[in-house]
Amino acid sequence: DIQMTQSPSSLSASVGDRVTITCRASQGIRNDLGWYQQKPGKAPKRLIYAASSLQSGVPSRFSGSGSETEFTLTISSLQPEDFATYYCLQYNGYPRLTFGGGTKVEIK
Amino acid sequence: EVQLLDSGGGLVQPGGSLRLSCAAPGITFSSHVMHWVRQAPGKGLEWVSAISTRDVTTDYADSVRGRFTISRDNSKNTLYLLMNNLRAEDTAVYYCASSQWLLPPDFWGQGTLVTVSS
Repeated sequence: DIQMTQSPSSLSASVGDRVTITCRASQGIRNDLGWYQQKPGKAPKRLIYAASSLQSGVPSRFSGSGSETEFTLTISSLQPEDFATYYCLQYNGYPRLTFGGGTKVEIK
Repeated sequence: EVQLLDSGGGLVQPGGSLRLSCAAPGITFSSHVMHWVRQAPGKGLEWVSAISTRDVTTDYADSVRGRFTISRDNSKNTLYLLMNNLRAEDTAVYYCASSQWLLPPDFWGQGTLVTVSS
């Protein structure tokens, strides 16, 4: 099975900061990776698919990059509504999915 | 418009059974691959199971294989998860999610809480 290692597990940042989250796959997954945002008590929301394609309606300050085993989610200028937990998700073994462990973005 | 509506969660004793349902009024149900994803209290997301559009292919996480059964009724636009021999570690919020073929889930239900406890 494909394992996803996400880092950091948490971070503190200020409004306006640039934030980067990384996900590493245990084997090459082409660009079969998505990024999700989850707020407390809510379902996850898809931000990025195919590693770098922005979901319709998602602000352009979110961007994704990478391929095969190394991926990043970048928030170019953190906004108050961006404080949440973020997960990567690989779908190369479709329909079997694997989530990363999550990154909690907190207010500094 | 609400796309997916989870239901069926509740309190069940260890070894018991429960059936979750997911109604899909807001999507073209028959053309979506459907998934169940769970989240234990204070923990991350865990994929549980998936079923293809025409009920041909199913897959399960190792942690639930042999105990859980996923199914769908395209005539009723509804997804199911039958959970047998439940354990304390199955306690979680269960989400149904839909995806187009070879893409990650885009629509999600609101989640339904399953608590396994004596």
